[in-house]
Amino acid sequence: AQKITQTQPGMFVQEKEAVTLDCTYDTSDPSYGLFWYKQPSSGEMIFLIYQGSYDQQNATEGRYSLNFQKARKSANLVISASQLGDSAMYFCAMREGISSGSARQLTFGSGTQLTVLP
Amino acid sequence: DAEITQSPRHKITETGRQVTLACHQTWNHNNMFWYRQDLGHGLRLIHYSYGVHDTNKGEVSDGYSVSRSNTEDLPLTLESAASSQTSVYFCASSESMGNSPLHFGNGTRLTVT
Repeated sequence: AQKITQTQPGMFVQEKEAVTLDCTYDTSDPSYGLFWYKQPSSGEMIFLIYQGSYDQQNATEGRYSLNFQKARKSANLVISASQLGDSAMYFCAMREGISSGSARQLTFGSGTQLTVLP
Repeated sequence: DAEITQSPRHKITETGRQVTLACHQTWNHNNMFWYRQDLGHGLRLIHYSYGVHDTNKGEVSDGYSVSRSNTEDLPLTLESAASSQTSVYFCASSESMGNSPLHFGNGTRLTVT
């Protein structure tokens, strides 16, 4: 079974508007973390935001915020006030066992290609 | 500034040849990872290491090997390249904390003809 599911292969948003990129996950581990990465057309992987399963509040980093709904096992990325430079592929990823004291590997979703329209 | 460097950036090889992709990090991270990126699959884990002389198989390890003789380097070897191994390969490293993000190299685009 897929551990990370991103159901939107492609999304379009108008410049200056907000957009939500969906991510659902599957784990039985109570201790996990969720990460979002951005991959522009140049190819590099850029870390955006992190949410831990025990974090009380939704994570925010500038224009990025995470809509974390634990019961629904979803961790959607919200980008506010979209800019042309936000056009990129976005990946959701999960790490299980974060309380074990070791940084295990990340499992990635298949990504969402976001296009910001002028 | 600390960084993670992959070489070469592009490589074309023939089926059956042995190929080694280099990965060097100056973060002094114990954890290092190799992923491959293919359209529709996101990034899939090939091999990983939690320290010197430690190596582990990931989801798609068949046909690949790694060795970790020092903290800085984790070379990825394709023993006998196959066309199915045409892909973009990313090396990454991280600190040991559970909330530590992966720091990625810029990737190596490998074509097997």
